[in-house]
Amino acid sequence: DVKVTQSSRYLVKRTGEKVFLECVQDMDHENMFWYRQDPGLGLRLIYFSYDVKMKEKGDIPEGYSVSREKKERFSLILESASTNQTSMYLCASSLAQDRTQNIQYFGAGTRLSVL
Amino acid sequence: AQSVAQPEDQVNVAEGNPLTVKCTYSVSGNPYLFWYVQYPNRGLQFLLKYITGDNLVKGSYGFEAEFNKSQTSFHLKKPSALVSDSALYFCAVRDVVMDSNYQLIWGAGTKLIIKP
Repeated sequence: DVKVTQSSRYLVKRTGEKVFLECVQDMDHENMFWYRQDPGLGLRLIYFSYDVKMKEKGDIPEGYSVSREKKERFSLILESASTNQTSMYLCASSLAQDRTQNIQYFGAGTRLSVL
Repeated sequence: AQSVAQPEDQVNVAEGNPLTVKCTYSVSGNPYLFWYVQYPNRGLQFLLKYITGDNLVKGSYGFEAEFNKSQTSFHLKKPSALVSDSALYFCAVRDVVMDSNYQLIWGAGTKLIIKP
């Protein structure tokens, strides 16, 4: 089974702090994604990466950056956390060769509260 | 513009009754359609997909979905609901024509509550 592991289930941070959310997948997937999930808004893509050191902006990249130095790890960085970044963050991965089917595998999520 | 609509925020069904969770979409070309489920305190899990072929697709846990091109719909169904089906369900679409780098467009989600 594919396993996508997010380092924290819950995080509480203060406004202005730099926040790191880590995600690791164990299935050698090329593609990795960061979403935020808010009630009534579904999933919104923040960034995705299709290879090591490669990244592309999603729908809501402002206030976020990402890092992918190794194939299995994709980090989301909040440069200066703000209260409007309080949300559930979901990491996902998918196989590049599975282009037509596009099945994404998700981690359990990190619920971030910014005070 | 590409979009996915799940018109119901919440669906309530009695255990043993059939259930339907609705999804409609708008894309430029042919769609790839997906349903995912999120159980409480867990990540999203893939449930089923439509890529091509038979309009009725079967997935995990006894769920199925019917692709209707004329109505641009992909409703999720199950003949007999279980209390354990209670979860948040997301519909997603990928536009084959746009081919937007593996990105999926997600609906807002529908909370399914199955009452004993």
